[in-house]
Amino acid sequence: AQSVTQLGSHVSVSEGALVLLRCNYSSSVPPYLFWYVQYPNQGLQLLLKYTSAATLVKGINGFEAEFKKSETSFHLTKPSAHMSDAAEYFCAVTSNRDDKIIFGKGTRLHILP
Amino acid sequence: NAGVTQTPKFQVLKTGQSMTLQCAQDMNHEYMSWYRQDPGMGLRLIHYSVGAGITDQGEVPNGYNVSRSTTEDFPLRLLSAAPSQTSVYFCASSEVRGAPYEQYFGPGTRLTVT
Repeated sequence: AQSVTQLGSHVSVSEGALVLLRCNYSSSVPPYLFWYVQYPNQGLQLLLKYTSAATLVKGINGFEAEFKKSETSFHLTKPSAHMSDAAEYFCAVTSNRDDKIIFGKGTRLHILP
Repeated sequence: NAGVTQTPKFQVLKTGQSMTLQCAQDMNHEYMSWYRQDPGMGLRLIHYSVGAGITDQGEVPNGYNVSRSTTEDFPLRLLSAAPSQTSVYFCASSEVRGAPYEQYFGPGTRLTVT
């Protein structure tokens, strides 16, 4: 079975500082990996996805993530945090052999002025 | 396109009551799914469907039924509501199964069971 683990249910960074949100996955087959963002009282929207084409994936709003097979990780980064980045972020995993898409428990990002 | 729509937005039920959460998409997507979101638990998959007439169980299917008679609609039924089913429910759809396509989420239904 596939799974993802997000380290840290809450992360606080200062405005302008580096954002790093951690995601580790477990999968017996090559995974597809996603990061979604949820703003308050809204549904989720896709930030970026890894589909095996390139290990460094760029997404919307200046976010990027790097797939590291040796570390089974897919951490999300952004060089400089904005107040508008405050939201909850979810990592998710699936594969081409699985109809289920499994989400992590989420990390709430707080931006300090 | 309206995308993925969910009704109602809010609902309060008494224990033992039944209800149906509606979900519809106008993007001709094959794959549809239902998740529940609880604090500290993230999103957990309830049921999913890879096409009309085909449904399967997710991580937490107990207490919920689904059907998929058309491509567009994927209703979620609570047969006998329990307080443990108090949650926010999201419906999502994507183009096809078994591929890394983006899931499109509805705005959610906030359900309280008293």
